[in-house]
Amino acid sequence: NAGVTQTPKFQVLKTGQSMTLQCAQDMNHNSMYWYRQDPGMGLRLIYYSASEGTTDKGEVPNGYNVSRLNKREFSLRLESAAPSQTSVYFCASSDGPRGNQPQHFGDGTRLSIL
Amino acid sequence: DAKTTQPTSMDCAEGRAANLPCNHSTISGNEYVYWYRQIHSQGPQYIIHGLKNNETNEMASLIITEDRKSSTLILPHATLRDTAVYYCIEISNQGGKLIFGQGTELSVKP
Repeated sequence: NAGVTQTPKFQVLKTGQSMTLQCAQDMNHNSMYWYRQDPGMGLRLIYYSASEGTTDKGEVPNGYNVSRLNKREFSLRLESAAPSQTSVYFCASSDGPRGNQPQHFGDGTRLSIL
Repeated sequence: DAKTTQPTSMDCAEGRAANLPCNHSTISGNEYVYWYRQIHSQGPQYIIHGLKNNETNEMASLIITEDRKSSTLILPHATLRDTAVYYCIEISNQGGKLIFGQGTELSVKP
């Protein structure tokens, strides 16, 4: 069972470069999410998409953009990478945005910006 | 900040039940209790959730006290692969972001 698949698993960028993190889910979920996790800290929500065609800002959206390409795919773009964006990025999906609908996570993209 | 309180760490012998407590004394009537775990270098894994009643699935059991101020996650027969950080989280029925506190680092020992 694939679940939530994130690519790439690892990436090193130079300051100012751009890149797109890809996320796809095969569970027919309506909602998708992007989080970042820094050492010693919990997950922080960057952006989410409650349903296909909608996106909303989370707790830490600055420096990021997202695209809900279709029901399966939700990408996260860094337009001009900064060292402060060095982190582990997790994508998640759920049936819907309500509290009784669990989020299921991918294994993350480890991003280093020099 | 996380609204739940968990012990920082616990040990459990392989094959025994692991009982992980969580205090959520300010939980409101429409908030669910969720449990996730994170094994080193992997994404968080959903385990179980409940509102008022006890719940059981193929991974674990969740026991919620009658006043809903605390709960216990039970892994009935812990294995070495259950070594992870376990997070207890409150989520409103309206949805919302997951707030992961410090969690409990469970070490299952042979």
